[in-house]
Parts: sequence; C-alpha cells; structure tokens
Amino acid sequence: GQQVMQIPQYQHVQEGEDFTTYCNSSTTLSNIQWYKQRPGGHPVFLIQLVKSGEVKKQKRLTFQFGEAKKNSSLHITATQTTDVGTYFCAGSSAYNQGGKLIFGQGTELSVKP
Amino acid sequence: GAVVSQHPSWVICKSGTSVKIECRSLDFQATTMFWYRQFPKQSLMLMATSNEGSKATYEQGVEKDKFLINHASLTLSTLTVTSAHPEDSSFYICSAINSGRARNEQYFGPGTRLTVT
Repeated sequence: GQQVMQIPQYQHVQEGEDFTTYCNSSTTLSNIQWYKQRPGGHPVFLIQLVKSGEVKKQKRLTFQFGEAKKNSSLHITATQTTDVGTYFCAGSSAYNQGGKLIFGQGTELSVKP
Repeated sequence: GAVVSQHPSWVICKSGTSVKIECRSLDFQATTMFWYRQFPKQSLMLMATSNEGSKATYEQGVEKDKFLINHASLTLSTLTVTSAHPEDSSFYICSAINSGRARNEQYFGPGTRLTVT
C-alpha cells in the first residue's frame, strides 16, 4: 500500500538555526498537506500543496512539492522556541480515495533558547 | 470556523467494557470523517473512513467488529471501542472534511485519550 516516509525523526536545533524536514511517498500524490502538532495537542493544518514543483511560503516557513509529486519539504528559517512541536506531512493519493490521508512518521523539532 | 469537537477528552475504563467517542463538526457539514489512533511519540494511524449514511471503510488490520463506527448525520460520527483491553489504550483523534469546500483539508478534533485498566 501507499507509504509516506519522513525524515529526520528528531531534530534538535539552537534558536536561530534553520530546520528542514523531508517527506517521500511511494506513489504519486494528488496533493500533500503539512500539519503541526504541539506536545499534548492535536494536529493543526498548515498548508496544502497541489501543483507539481509548487513552492509556498508562510512567514519563516517554506513548503515545496516535488516535480514528480512524490516528495515534499518544509523549511523553517531562523527557528524560534514557538516552532517546537512535531511536523507531519500527509499525502493524498493520486487515485481517488475520498480525501484519505496517509501520514508520515513526523519530525519532532526541539529548539534550545 | 471549521471547529471539530470530541467527547470525552479523556476516559478511563475497565477491561471488557465498551467506550463511545463522539466527533462533531460544529460549524460545517462533513460527509466524510476519519478516525485515527496515535500512540505516544508515533504518527497518526488511520483506522477508518466514516461516511455519512453508509458503512465505514476500515484500514487493513483494523477490526470492524471491535471499533464500531456510526456516521448518522452530517455533523456527527461516533467510534465505539467494544470489549476494550489495555492494548487499546491510546489517543484517538477524529478529523472532518468540510463538504462545502473543494479543498480536502482535514480539520482535527482535540482527541480523546483512552486508558483501559
């Protein structure tokens, strides 16, 4: 079945350093979504990418969708302590499955002040 | 807008009993809802897709007779964990797709932490 792999599993950075998490799907995706989950909380939608090669920015966050629509990345510039949490990518298959998402394993980000 | 609630937020039950968890979309209609399970420090594992007015679609390895799903209205889906055992202890999260929007963004509920003793 469809698998979504995400690396790294953990990332510890000093405040102000950059951070990147990568996501790879075993199958072509119709879209990819990114979520953030704070410790003890639930996933919160960040963004959805739909087009091949798409790049979207939200302040210090940059999201990319690969040309083949099988990989994606999230880059945070100059991390802050408020960025702490686990970032999940979630892919929706190119074959219509009613919006079902397959989540990556997540990357847990910790930021040392 | 796009708020999803879950009830209860946490529950402790004895082994062998059943527990019902409710998922409600408060300000939108949701033809489709999803149920996930999340173990500590792990990702969300999709258990089933809940479709209003029809049977739920379960993921491979999820026992449909153990995890009963009912999506009786456009704003409510319920998950009943039957004959719960300690290994069913987990964080159960639902999500809903806004039927009125083209984008299939999922709105997540706050989750229900189930502990089976």
